[in-house]
Amino acid sequence: EVQLVASGGGLVKPGGSLRLSCAASGFTFNSYSMIWARQAPGKGLEWVSSISSTSTYIYYADSMKGRFTISRDNAKNSLYLQMNSLRAEDTAVYYCARTLHSGVYYEDYWGQGTLVTVSS
Amino acid sequence: DIQMTQFPSSLSASVGDRVTITCRAGQSISSYLNWYQQKPGKAPKLLIYAASSLQSGVPSRFSGSGSGTDFTLTISSLQPEDFATYYCQQSYNTRTFGQGTKVEIK
Repeated sequence: EVQLVASGGGLVKPGGSLRLSCAASGFTFNSYSMIWARQAPGKGLEWVSSISSTSTYIYYADSMKGRFTISRDNAKNSLYLQMNSLRAEDTAVYYCARTLHSGVYYEDYWGQGTLVTVSS
Repeated sequence: DIQMTQFPSSLSASVGDRVTITCRAGQSISSYLNWYQQKPGKAPKLLIYAASSLQSGVPSRFSGSGSGTDFTLTISSLQPEDFATYYCQQSYNTRTFGQGTKVEIK
């Protein structure tokens, strides 16, 4: 069974840092690209970042460039999101998801999400 | 960035109704369009990928159509468990989600 378990969320002050993790199991992690997406309270989904299976290709949403860093450790079946210079508007539930490529790209499995609250 | 405009933002419908949700891309995205369902407090669930391909395990009352810039998600006969928020997503160039459509009970 495919499982993605996100962790590392919590309360952080503006300007602070946080590192999110996503533990993957039930599939060959090193064969799949992954993404992070987020959802602010009461708002819609927002793509944050994508990383290819071997970390060769990495992309960020414009508002996260220079502040967030996506990475993965295929030996540990884990995906990470390092978030620096956090702002109040970064408050959201952060989801990790697996990307499939079958003609088009799409996310077929999602983790349960981890809540990040940026507040003084 | 490719903008995705989804409408309506919300709708009220009854069990058994046919429901259609529209998603429009700011430029042609071929068939790089996916649909997700999200219930409160839960992660998104993939319904349709590549504009019209039904994800395994998803009921056949869900269908998708379109290509280029205009896409639709149709629920042929709304069931109680279908009351949720639906999002389109383009994957032609990174990812962008539509604003969401909340389907409520009439």
